[in-house]
Amino acid sequence: DAKTTQPNSMESNEEEPVHLPCNHSTISGTDYIHWYRQLPSQGPEYVIHGLTSNVNNRMASLAIAEDRKSSTLILHRATLRDAAVYYCIPQIKGANNLFFGTGTRLTVIP
Amino acid sequence: DAGVTQSPTHLIKTRGQQVTLRCSPKSGHDTVSWYQQALGQGPQFIFQYYEEEERQRGNFPDRFSGHQFPNYSSELNVNALLLGDSALYLCASSFGLAGAYEQFFGPGTRLTVL
Repeated sequence: DAKTTQPNSMESNEEEPVHLPCNHSTISGTDYIHWYRQLPSQGPEYVIHGLTSNVNNRMASLAIAEDRKSSTLILHRATLRDAAVYYCIPQIKGANNLFFGTGTRLTVIP
Repeated sequence: DAGVTQSPTHLIKTRGQQVTLRCSPKSGHDTVSWYQQALGQGPQFIFQYYEEEERQRGNFPDRFSGHQFPNYSSELNVNALLLGDSALYLCASSFGLAGAYEQFFGPGTRLTVL
C-alpha cells in the first residue's frame, strides 16, 4: 500500500481558499487518490477522487501532480463547516478497503 | 433516503465480555466494511462483507468476527474484550466489490471497555 504524508494541522481564514497537500511518492500507476474528511463527532465522508488529471466537484477540486507523487485538495472558499480532519488515501484499483493515515486537521478561523 | 445507521451509539463493557455492534447499509448498497478508530487516529480497516461472506480482512485478531444478513445489514462481534478495544467503531457501505470509490460511513458506535 502506498504511504502518505500530510501536515498534522492547518489553519485557514473563513472564505479564503485552502490548499491541503499530500505526498504519496510510492503510489502505483493504478492507484486512485481519494480524499475523505471527518467532521467532529461524525463518520468520514467522501470528498473527491482522481487518477491522473485534475478533478472538480461541488465540494472541492483535486490537483494531481504530473508524476502523481503528490496531490492537493483545494477548498475554494473555506467555511466554518469545513473544519474537519482531511484524509488523503491512495486506493488500489478494484480494492474496497480504505487505509486511513492520521490526516490533516483543518481549523477555519471566523 | 436513510444513510448508514449503526446501533447502539454508545456502549460500556468490562474486560472479558463480548459485544455485538449492528449496521444497516445505505439503501441500494450491498457491501459493508467495518473500521476501528482509536482516539486521535484515523480509522483502521477490520473487514468487509459482500454476499454474506467476509471478503477482505485487515490486521485484526480472530476475536473480531462478523456477519452479513440477506438484507445486507451486518454485525461486528468482539469476544474477550480488552481495554485496548475501546474505540469508535465505524460501518461503511458501498455497492459491489470492484472499485467502491465512494464509501458511506455511519456515525459510529463508541465502545468503552473498563
